[in-house]
Order: sequence, then structure tokens, then C-alpha cells
Amino acid sequence: DSGVTQTPKHLITATGQRVTLRCSPRSGDLSVYWYQQSLDQGLQFLIQYYNGEERAKGNILERFSAQQFPDLHSELNLSSLELGDSALYFCASSAGGYIQYFGAGTRLSVL
Amino acid sequence: SQQGEEDPQALSIQEGENATMNCSYKTSINNLQWYRQNSGRGLVHLILIRSNEREKHSGRLRVTLDTSKKSSSLLITASRAADTASYFCAFVGRGNNNDMRFGAGTRLTVKP
Repeated sequence: DSGVTQTPKHLITATGQRVTLRCSPRSGDLSVYWYQQSLDQGLQFLIQYYNGEERAKGNILERFSAQQFPDLHSELNLSSLELGDSALYFCASSAGGYIQYFGAGTRLSVL
Repeated sequence: SQQGEEDPQALSIQEGENATMNCSYKTSINNLQWYRQNSGRGLVHLILIRSNEREKHSGRLRVTLDTSKKSSSLLITASRAADTASYFCAFVGRGNNNDMRFGAGTRLTVKP
């Protein structure tokens, strides 16, 4: 168990809808990262937050947004969903060093 | 893209054999890491090698780094069926604020 909790484990929704994925980092970790893993794109870095502030941005679409709250949990919001957004979404956390601890992921299916 | 490239894409060996996976990257890096992912699960950190290190060991794992060739290899010795998983290299480019990029992964199957 990595100590990173992601909910929900599975999410099935329709095109055009909006969903929110939630991540609770390991106790004490200030950094949270979001990744998307799909069969054709591999593991793609989306965005990083550090202690509530955006730190780095990767291949995140404008339809996607994230935030980190004062209690350090983070949410990834995906809107106007398309079939191609179906993927595994991972959250990871770190204490500020380079090693990241991953949650079990949320499997999103857009029908 | 700053993604890494790994080869082979897939590797199938017998229990007890050694498995070698390679990773190449294009940018200057602070360090390189290897992660393991069991099917559909989260990634688990295996080992980190810094840019000023050439080789590192952890149990049955041996990692090498050649910054002049921008490549790294992961060797798993005396493999077990439980080593069956996907293995990813990951690296942080210099000055990239922990923006970690992953390779495409090598799918390792160890047959009992």
C-alpha cells in the first residue's frame, strides 16, 4: 500500500459529461501529480501541485483542470468528456524529493 | 517530446533467467528512476540513479546509467514469475521542477 488513496476506482460516464477524480496523498507529502495512462499514449504527465499551488504543467487539455486543497488532497476535473478520454488516471505524491508514490488509479470509461 | 524510449517493448523469459531492459532519453537529466506496474495497478518505485552515478544495485536489481549515450539499463537477475509486470524508466529533466517523464515501458513475462 503506497499510502495514496484515489477515488472512485471505476467511473463510467457518457460523452459530454463532467467528472471529478479525487486523490489523498501520503501523510505529509506536499506534492501531488496527476497522470493519464492510455494504451496508445502511454503514461502522460498532466499537472503537479505543491502545497496548494500549481508547480508544473504537462500535456493537460484545457477541458481538464485540477486543484489542491488546504488539507492537501487534490481533485482532477474532466469536462466535456470525449471517448478518447477513457483511460486510467493516476495520482502520485512525493515529499518534495524525486521519488513518487502512486495511487491505485481511477479507471474512466466514457461511453 | 521528452518521453523516454524503452526496448524491448516486450520480453518473455523463463524463471531463473536474467532480464535486461533498456531506456533512452533525449534531455539532460537530474536522475533516472525505474518503476514497476502490475497489470492495471499503480506504479511502484524500484530504484533511483543520480546523473553522477554509473551503477546501482538493490537486491536482484542492477541499474546502469550512461549519460554520454543518454541511456540506462535495468537488469533483473534470477527472475521469478512474480516479476511479471511492466517496467518503466522515468526521468526529470534539469530545471523541470520534478516534471517527470516516463518511457513507454517494457512488458516482462516470466514463465514458471
